[in-house]
Amino acid sequence: DTGVSQDPRHKITKRGQNVTFRCDPISEHNRLYWYRQTLGQGPEFLTYFQNEAQLEKSRLLSDRFSAERPKGSFSTLEIQRTEQGDSAMYLCAIPRGARMNTQYFGPGTRLTVL
Amino acid sequence: AQTVTQSQPEMSVQEAETVTLSCTYDTSESDYYLFWYKQPPSRQMILVIRQEAYKQQNATENRFSVNFQKAAKSFSLKISDSQLGDAAMYFCAYRSNAGNMLTFGGGTRLMVKP
Repeated sequence: DTGVSQDPRHKITKRGQNVTFRCDPISEHNRLYWYRQTLGQGPEFLTYFQNEAQLEKSRLLSDRFSAERPKGSFSTLEIQRTEQGDSAMYLCAIPRGARMNTQYFGPGTRLTVL
Repeated sequence: AQTVTQSQPEMSVQEAETVTLSCTYDTSESDYYLFWYKQPPSRQMILVIRQEAYKQQNATENRFSVNFQKAAKSFSLKISDSQLGDAAMYFCAYRSNAGNMLTFGGGTRLMVKP
């Protein structure tokens, strides 16, 4: 158990629709990360939160993407006007261990845009 | 920018045998962390092993060990006594001590033959 749950696990949507994913750390964590993994590739960093503050965003995060972390607990990632290229696995991760230097991943949300 | 390269898209090993997965990375920093993650088909990404760059001793976790060559910027994973359950995608990842994001390689698909 990595201490991270994600919901939904699978999402199928039509192009142009908006979708929202949720990441829930089981216990309190200052930091929370989002990654995107396309089929057959390694994950790519999207964004990172320190408590409620979104401190870093990748160039992959276009203006159709928005992430929030109200109250510094769970986080949501919304994609507006989805495109077929948005089809991917969206992974959430939290740091744990000595000096919090290791990231542990949730099960991910697999998005399919038709 | 840091890059991580896994030159073996696929590897195959006989059950009970030993296999080595390769990873090279490019960085100008001296203080960083390296990781190997395992992602079974349609399942969650899990940490296999971690190495701190300042430690000269190679990390070991049961049947998994690394060969960390800092000067050569090489970080290979050795799996001993391979088991059917080791079949998965393996990702090498880098994180700067000064940063937060993980940079992943493209992955190596490991097949284990009974």
